[in-house]
Amino acid sequence: AQSVTQLGSHVSVSEGALVLLRCNYSSSVPPYLFWYVQYPNQGLQLLLKYTTGATLVKGINGFEAEFKKSETSFHLTKPSAHMSDAAEYFCAVSDWESGGYQKVTFGTGTKLQVIP
Amino acid sequence: NAGVTQTPKFQVLKTGQSMTLQCAQDMNHNSMYWYRQDPGMGLRLIYYSASEGTTDKGEVPNGYNVSRLNKREFSLRLESAAPSQTSVYFCASSHTAGGPDTQYFGPGTRLTVL
Repeated sequence: AQSVTQLGSHVSVSEGALVLLRCNYSSSVPPYLFWYVQYPNQGLQLLLKYTTGATLVKGINGFEAEFKKSETSFHLTKPSAHMSDAAEYFCAVSDWESGGYQKVTFGTGTKLQVIP
Repeated sequence: NAGVTQTPKFQVLKTGQSMTLQCAQDMNHNSMYWYRQDPGMGLRLIYYSASEGTTDKGEVPNGYNVSRLNKREFSLRLESAAPSQTSVYFCASSHTAGGPDTQYFGPGTRLTVL
């Protein structure tokens, strides 16, 4: 069964500092991996995803993530935090279930606080 | 292009009352989903509809029923609400069921059961 672990339910960074949000997954087959962001009182929206090919994936708002198969990780980074990055971030993994449906499993989320 | 819309945005129910949460998408997506979000637990799948005319249970289906009314609309019904169903409910849609496809989420319905 697939699973996702996000280390740290809350992360605080200073404005302009590096953002690093950690995600480890388990999957019995090569996975599809996602990062979604949720701003206060809104639904989730896709930041970036890994399907196949290049392991460094670039997303919106300057975020990127690197798929490391040997470490079963898909950490999210941004070189310089902005106040507008304050939100909750969810890592997700998708692989095959019986019957052809590829179930998506979400992590428990990491709330990012940006300190001015 | 409104994306995924949900009604109502907020609802307060008493234990035992029933209600239906409505969801519609205008992206011509085949697959639709209902999730609940609780603090510290991420998103948990309640039901999904891989295509029009089909529905299947997710991780936490007890106490809920769904109807895929047509390709656009997917409703979630609570027949007899319980305090444990206090949560934020999100509807989502995607072109196909899972895999590499991006899921598009609605703004959520905040439900309180007293």
